[in-house]
Amino acid sequence: QQQVKQSPQSLIVQKGGIPIINCAYENTAFDYFPWYQQFPGKGPALLIAIRPDVSEKKEGRFTISFNKSAKQFSLHIMDSQPGDSATYFCAATFNTDKLIFGTGTRLQVFP
Amino acid sequence: GAGVSQTPSNKVTEKGKYVELRCDPISGHTALYWYRQSLGQGPEFLIYFQGTGAADDSGLPNDRFFAVRPEGSVSTLKIQRTERGDSAVYLCASSYQGTSNNEQFFGPGTRLTVL
Repeated sequence: QQQVKQSPQSLIVQKGGIPIINCAYENTAFDYFPWYQQFPGKGPALLIAIRPDVSEKKEGRFTISFNKSAKQFSLHIMDSQPGDSATYFCAATFNTDKLIFGTGTRLQVFP
Repeated sequence: GAGVSQTPSNKVTEKGKYVELRCDPISGHTALYWYRQSLGQGPEFLIYFQGTGAADDSGLPNDRFFAVRPEGSVSTLKIQRTERGDSAVYLCASSYQGTSNNEQFFGPGTRLTVL
């Protein structure tokens, strides 16, 4: 029940494309769902986050869609750029406690 | 301002040895977390401190792993009798409890290799 399942494992898009990464969870007690971006040799950095009382959140080129009834959420990257090439992790937590991470999606954006 | 720092950045040790990994959180952050990230995987929770006390150590894999935060700031993760399976990147994160989003700021990690 603590798992967060993430797909796909890897994703290749051309510049300007819209990669979509999907996550699913089981524990309905989760109340905060962040997405982290990680570059090689660096620690994860918070990209955007959402709470289950909203269905969508946009920050710049990044959008989270949240489906509470299906217990799924996804990250969309609009107008993707080569600089977006990184590994993306979804996560979930409750009571501002430890983060439960997905297995990651390696994104490559080609010029 | 300074972010979370971790030392050393790389540590190579032999099986059976003892290692200490250090984390300096962002000044003023009361919460500190340790995670372990194996190659190609997401970070896995190890332990969480609120102030000086371990609020949740349910992620520590066994009694060879121990962590302290004696003054509520710097934390040290200690691994006794290291095994090859302990090889991973150990990440530290800190956050300011009291905000609604509890954003955790991660350090660059310590890459531990056990030969």
